[in-house]
Amino acid sequence: DAKTTQPPSMDCAEGRAANLPCNHSTISGNEYVYWYRQIHSQGPQYIIHGLKNNETNEMASLIITEDRKSSTLILPHATLRDTAVYYCIVMEYGNKLVFGAGTILRVKS
Amino acid sequence: GAVVSQHPSRVICKSGTSVKIECRSLDFQATTMFWYRQFPKQSLMLMATSNEGSKATYEQGVEKDKFLINHASLTLSTLTVTSAHPEDSSFYICSAIPLLAGVQETQYFGPGTRLLVL
Repeated sequence: DAKTTQPPSMDCAEGRAANLPCNHSTISGNEYVYWYRQIHSQGPQYIIHGLKNNETNEMASLIITEDRKSSTLILPHATLRDTAVYYCIVMEYGNKLVFGAGTILRVKS
Repeated sequence: GAVVSQHPSRVICKSGTSVKIECRSLDFQATTMFWYRQFPKQSLMLMATSNEGSKATYEQGVEKDKFLINHASLTLSTLTVTSAHPEDSSFYICSAIPLLAGVQETQYFGPGTRLLVL
């Protein structure tokens, strides 16, 4: 069973930042937070992951709260091509990825 | 880097035939590959974990005799759907974990194979 809770859908204006929340209140100390996204009819694409500290890469930023019970994925300047289902997954090192329902992000012009 | 390919991308077959789907890691070696299935408007469901040189581990409810998995090398895993039926029509996706020691590794996914059984 998925260990995370995400809103079913969100809208974002093109060029604006998209902030996708995720609750993982039962996360344990050695579990990582992973974010993937799936564009229609494609395989999931890795975005970012983190354990405790905030992380940033060329695609996004990941903000993890101090108690690690929630996190936010930030796409700084959303484009139409960022429209996808975004999955927040809590995973222990080496374990299987369990996908929940995710958040459908619609970027609109 | 970290590219995973699948072949074929799309296949249509008659009921009762067997279909083989290949998953390749193109620029890295992977001791572990995973197979997922995704029905329309649903999330990905893990079917099995494939380890190079050993038998695959199947998730509860997945028939190992129907979904044969072979992971013969560090860059190739195959999924064979035997005696396919219309209810096996789905989007099959593989993923692979790069073979790197001591680092929290990420799974990289293939583009998926859409199977339609008539």
